[in-house]
Amino acid sequence: DAGVTQSPTHLIKTRGQQVTLRCSPKSGHDTVSWYQQALGQGPQFIFQYYEEEERQRGNFPDRFSGHQFPNYSSELNVNALLLGDSALYLCASSRMEMSLSGTEAFFGQGTRLTVV
Amino acid sequence: AQRVTQPEKLLSVFKGAPVELKCNYSYSGSPELFWYVQYSRQRLQLLLRHISRESIKGFTADLNKGETSFHLKKPFAQEEDSAMYYCALSGLDGGNKLVFGAGTILRVKS
Repeated sequence: DAGVTQSPTHLIKTRGQQVTLRCSPKSGHDTVSWYQQALGQGPQFIFQYYEEEERQRGNFPDRFSGHQFPNYSSELNVNALLLGDSALYLCASSRMEMSLSGTEAFFGQGTRLTVV
Repeated sequence: AQRVTQPEKLLSVFKGAPVELKCNYSYSGSPELFWYVQYSRQRLQLLLRHISRESIKGFTADLNKGETSFHLKKPFAQEEDSAMYYCALSGLDGGNKLVFGAGTILRVKS
């Protein structure tokens, strides 16, 4: 099991452009959460997907959107990129049936997005 | 507002010395508390969580609801403990999203 995999590992975009980041969850996991980690900060929750629907959302603008596919993989889309969107984007997967009682979230290596 | 505070950005100790990484939280309900660790060039991984009451790699953490703290402790630090440590809180709004602190870098010197 490769665990949680994210692509690409690094990305450079220009202000105003759009970007799509991808995540494949750990085998057996059905829930995907996305986090943004700015330099020197802890990860900040963006949103969570389960059964192809957004279940929870953090304090992020509508420019941040996502999708979950039937195979549980997920995409994070960011439109109209700003310099402040430069960060490490982390994907975490877990099993929803375990989540209610507390379960381990497995993280990917992240995608480093630089907006210039 | 739900918040996790890790007051130290950097904690530097000698090998064999005791370690305590501080974590305080603000949350009105019954939270679940976690410690995540990130070793150099590795992904973020769970170290321990309060509901399991485990000791992992010699680390323990006790949830103190009166002081709203979840400090991470180890009696004798090892060089391989050097890493970034994040305290995190879950159980917010009925979901399982994690709220992280800013993290503490632990450096264990020989």
